[in-house]
Amino acid sequence: DPKIIQKPKYLVAVTGSEKILICEQYLGHNAMYWYRQSAKKPLEFMFSYSYQKLMDNQTASSRFQPQSSKKNHLDLQITALKPDDSATYFCASSRTGGRNTGQLYFGEGSKLTVL
Amino acid sequence: SQWGEENLQALSIQEGEDVTMNCSYKTYTTVVHWYRQDSGRGPALIILIRSNEREKRSGRLRATLDTSSQSSSLSITAAQCEDTAVYFCATDWDSGYNKLTFGKGTVLLVSP
Repeated sequence: DPKIIQKPKYLVAVTGSEKILICEQYLGHNAMYWYRQSAKKPLEFMFSYSYQKLMDNQTASSRFQPQSSKKNHLDLQITALKPDDSATYFCASSRTGGRNTGQLYFGEGSKLTVL
Repeated sequence: SQWGEENLQALSIQEGEDVTMNCSYKTYTTVVHWYRQDSGRGPALIILIRSNEREKRSGRLRATLDTSSQSSSLSITAAQCEDTAVYFCATDWDSGYNKLTFGKGTVLLVSP
C-alpha cells in the first residue's frame, strides 16, 4: 500500500483557475515537502515543512501556498494557474527535517495540465 | 554526467552488461542521493553516500563519491530489464531544510 497518498493523480485546469493538490503520509514522519518536475526542468524543491511549520520556501510566486492542517498532511494550493505551472507535483516526507537528514520518500505525484 | 546544462542523458544496454552513470555537483555537499524513477511513479532512493564515504554498495549497485572532483557515480552490475528507469543524483549543497538539488537524470534502457 502506498504510504504517501497524493490526490488527484491527474488534473486538468484552465488558465486563471485554482487547484488544490492533496498529500497525506502514513510513515509517521515529521517533515514533508513539495517538489515539482516538468519537461523543461529537473525535479525542483518547492517547500519544506517540519512539525507543520514552514521551514524553507524556494517558490518565488505567492500563487503557491502550502497548507498543513495535520502533521501528516501537506496540501498545495495553486491560484491563478498558468500554462507554465503544468508539471508533476511530488509530495515527499522524511523522518526528520534539517540538512542531511537522509532519505526522502516520494508520493506518486499529481500531474497538472493547465490549458 | 547529469549536472549543469547537459541534456537528459540516455543509455541503452543489453541485459547482463555493466553500466556506470556519472554525476557532478556544484560545491560542497554532505551527501549524494541516488534515486530511480520508474515511468509514472515517484522517485525512490536506491543508495545514499555520505561525504566521509568513498564507496557504498547495495546488492548490484555501487556508488562512489569523490569530494575533490565533486563527482559521484552509480554503477549497476549485470543489469536486468527491470533496471530500466530514470536515475537521478541529488545533493544538499544548497543548505536549506533538507533541500535536495536534483540532476537532470539518466534514462537507462536495458534490453533483453
